[in-house]
Amino acid sequence: ILNVEQSPQSLHVQEGDSTNFTCSFPSSNFYALHWYRWETAKSPEALFVMTLNGDEKKKGRISATLNTKEGYSYLYIKGSQPEDSATYLCARNFGNEKLTFGTGTRLTIIP
Amino acid sequence: DGGITQSPKYLFRKEGQNVTLSCEQNLNHDAMYWYRQDPGQGLRLIYYSQIVNDFQKGDIAEGYSVSREKKESFPLTVTSAQKNPTAFYLCASSVRQGDEQYFGPGTRLTVT
Repeated sequence: ILNVEQSPQSLHVQEGDSTNFTCSFPSSNFYALHWYRWETAKSPEALFVMTLNGDEKKKGRISATLNTKEGYSYLYIKGSQPEDSATYLCARNFGNEKLTFGTGTRLTIIP
Repeated sequence: DGGITQSPKYLFRKEGQNVTLSCEQNLNHDAMYWYRQDPGQGLRLIYYSQIVNDFQKGDIAEGYSVSREKKESFPLTVTSAQKNPTAFYLCASSVRQGDEQYFGPGTRLTVT
């Protein structure tokens, strides 16, 4: 994988259901993996920065895991709420340099 | 209130004119970044600066210029050499290169 890839591109989830989506990235020269949430009409906001293989981070109902050897990270949302509707971006640091972003997963929660 | 401000929110220019987008932060961050977003694409890095009076080209620097004369300010100039300047521009900052980034509200530039 040469770029940071996210799947699916978009997702509709019923309120109360749990969901997850994937970020895949080149595993060589790994430094850190970032997750951001971008709500409509707002600025992107950092959720997690993960650096170690096997890292798991949690913020409320949202959690993320990291596998640097195989080059993927999962973001999980438990019990989706309407306020979770947003585009979720992942980005990888190449070395300690610039971030390369994926195209995002657009999540819509259906009330 | 600490944060990043970008102005203006919307900007319209005629083709052939240079235009400067403002980005100011009062977070005391060393690193600052400019990204561009186009429909269906991820954020692409234009320029970044790790410290005052220093900056590096990102992935799509052609047709853009920046300066970093003060820690809190990182203006981006879109020159007439930029072939497709119409886009949404986001500025961000972080404590250091590689740390989580804090984003401004963005400027939507339309060039006709």
